[in-house]
Amino acid sequence: GAVVSQHPSWVICKSGTSVKIECRSLDFQATTMFWYRQFPKQSLMLMATSNEGSKATYEQGVEKDKFLINHASLTLSTLTVTSAHPEDSSFYICSASGMWDTQYFGPGTRLTVL
Amino acid sequence: TQLLEQSPQFLSIQEGENLTVYCNSSSVFSSLQWYRQEPGEGPVLLVTVVTGGEVKKLKRLTFQFGDARKDSSLHITAAQPGDTGLYLCAGATGTASKLTFGTGTRLQVTL
Repeated sequence: GAVVSQHPSWVICKSGTSVKIECRSLDFQATTMFWYRQFPKQSLMLMATSNEGSKATYEQGVEKDKFLINHASLTLSTLTVTSAHPEDSSFYICSASGMWDTQYFGPGTRLTVL
Repeated sequence: TQLLEQSPQFLSIQEGENLTVYCNSSSVFSSLQWYRQEPGEGPVLLVTVVTGGEVKKLKRLTFQFGDARKDSSLHITAAQPGDTGLYLCAGATGTASKLTFGTGTRLQVTL
């Protein structure tokens, strides 16, 4: 149980375009979802926390207009990177937590912006 | 800002050796998790420790939470190549189970 999926697993896009990444909890209801970014050989950095039906809370230094997060249901959250640039290239990982507060992580999405 | 420093940053050992990874902070955490991450994948939870002084064992892995709940250690006995990966500690605080990840320890176990 407690499986989290992400789609796509990898994406390449041109500079200036927008990219949407989906995060789904497959077998539980996720009241809270988290989005992380991980650069090569570095740890995970929390970008934002989202609760179903409410606005996401962004960490300091993360541009909310650039990284749009929507948590429309208890099983789906999306992260849209708007007007992506090469410096946005990274590994984006989501996690979901339900009633037990444990975070279950998705497999990650590798974004490459050309 | 809460920081979790892990040491060492990188460790290369031979199969059969023992090792310890440390996770230190000046902040108190309500719980602390250890994860292992392989390249191109998400982190996989190994253990959660909650009580100060708690020790948990998972086969050849022993996890300890400091008495003051500010630090933790992971000890691996008789390391195997399958233990290779990035080990991350993460501390949980307050609301919404928000996690602060440590700086990471990259372990390489060779034959």
